[in-house]
Amino acid sequence: QKEVEQNSGPLSVPEGAIASLNCTYSDRGSQSFFWYRQYSGKSPELIMFIYSNGDKEDGRFTAQLNKASQYVSLLIRDSQPSDSATYLCAVISNFGNEKLTFGTGTRLTIIP
Amino acid sequence: EAGVTQSPTHLIKTRGQQVTLRCSPISGHTSVYWYQQALGLGLQFLLWYDEGEERNRGNFPPRFSGRQFPNYSSELNVNALELEDSALYLCASSLWTSGSRQTQYFGPGTRLLVL
Repeated sequence: QKEVEQNSGPLSVPEGAIASLNCTYSDRGSQSFFWYRQYSGKSPELIMFIYSNGDKEDGRFTAQLNKASQYVSLLIRDSQPSDSATYLCAVISNFGNEKLTFGTGTRLTIIP
Repeated sequence: EAGVTQSPTHLIKTRGQQVTLRCSPISGHTSVYWYQQALGLGLQFLLWYDEGEERNRGNFPPRFSGRQFPNYSSELNVNALELEDSALYLCASSLWTSGSRQTQYFGPGTRLLVL
């Protein structure tokens, strides 16, 4: 079982719709969760982080964390063509071990 | 505020050679992390340096090594290059303190091609 799993996609969403990206992780003791966006040929760019169960909103983005079910999701509202990218879920397992473990990413395409 | 910077942007080497990649963290950040993103393999953790010391190491052979300087910049050295070392090498930085949560910010990367 992979430590962090994501559906590789591609996920196609019409412009203006909600894009929903999901991620599951295997280490129940994981503490910190991150979503990065990576455009082709570029480096990862931090979108959001979430540490506690529930929802966290930032503009058009909402991260959701459910530690009991070991999943974290990212919702993108009012999707724009510029949101087309690969979205990487990353997890830090425990304090003091600051290694980000990444999923393989979900490729999202927003269709105009 | 300037972000994480890396040099060079691109590099071509041949098998068996050695390479040094450089990273300057965001001003005020004390931790530097190195990751490898090889085609089809995703981002893999290589090394973590904080305050000049190696704090954690990923599952890579000893020919991958590095160091962090007093100004918190860092070098990644790869000896005896192999074809599968071809990848995008990413550096990230954070302001890490024990017991606290922190966020890593990535530089633009160095793309290494081994022929």
